[in-house]
Amino acid sequence: DGGITQSPKYLFRKEGQNVTLSCEQNLNHDAMYWYRQDPGQGLRLIYYSQIVNDFQKGDIAEGYSVSREKKESFPLTVTSAQKNPTAFYLCASSVWMGVLAGANVLTFGAGSRLTVL
Amino acid sequence: AQKITQTQPGMFVQEKEAVTLDCTYDTSDQSYGLFWYKQPSSGEMIFLIYQGSYDEQNATEGRYSLNFQKARKSANLVISASQLGDSAMYFCAMREDDGSSNTGKLIFGQGTTLQVKP
Repeated sequence: DGGITQSPKYLFRKEGQNVTLSCEQNLNHDAMYWYRQDPGQGLRLIYYSQIVNDFQKGDIAEGYSVSREKKESFPLTVTSAQKNPTAFYLCASSVWMGVLAGANVLTFGAGSRLTVL
Repeated sequence: AQKITQTQPGMFVQEKEAVTLDCTYDTSDQSYGLFWYKQPSSGEMIFLIYQGSYDEQNATEGRYSLNFQKARKSANLVISASQLGDSAMYFCAMREDDGSSNTGKLIFGQGTTLQVKP
């Protein structure tokens, strides 16, 4: 079955450590996204990528880094520079249709919950 | 700047009844898209329904319908015949256009928690 796989589901980090969240999709989607969700809040965009080897900052990119070396993969690194990293992280993907995107439906993974100890 | 507002933090509905979840939006774009997603306690976001700004008919998908009032900039979700499995958080979202190109990004509202009572 096609879908998005995020790992790990739960992750604990000590202060000062970098951690990397994995996101893999087998939907052959062009675009991939990382969102952050805090308790009782909506989703905020961290980074997104429309094509391989290219990505753009979202609204809250500070303290995060990404790479897009393969179409299927879009890992997110939460660096020690991120002051408040405890949150739920959601990866998504979509077919990139450019300016005619129309109903550019995002498909989401199950999420990764990061807790800083 | 585009913005989505959901003013109902929590809602209750009796099983088998209909419920309306409110969503208002703000944009200066002529072309935009509105989405509703469901987030169960498991955390995954599930796409429910889409409405394009130029669509003249309100979108419907099974028990879900979108009450689109363009002049009022509202896009309320109506769930008919509520089921216990409908208990979840619901998010309204808008496709964010970035200048001359469509990035495919979505901006989300704060969400509404719906609880269906047996």
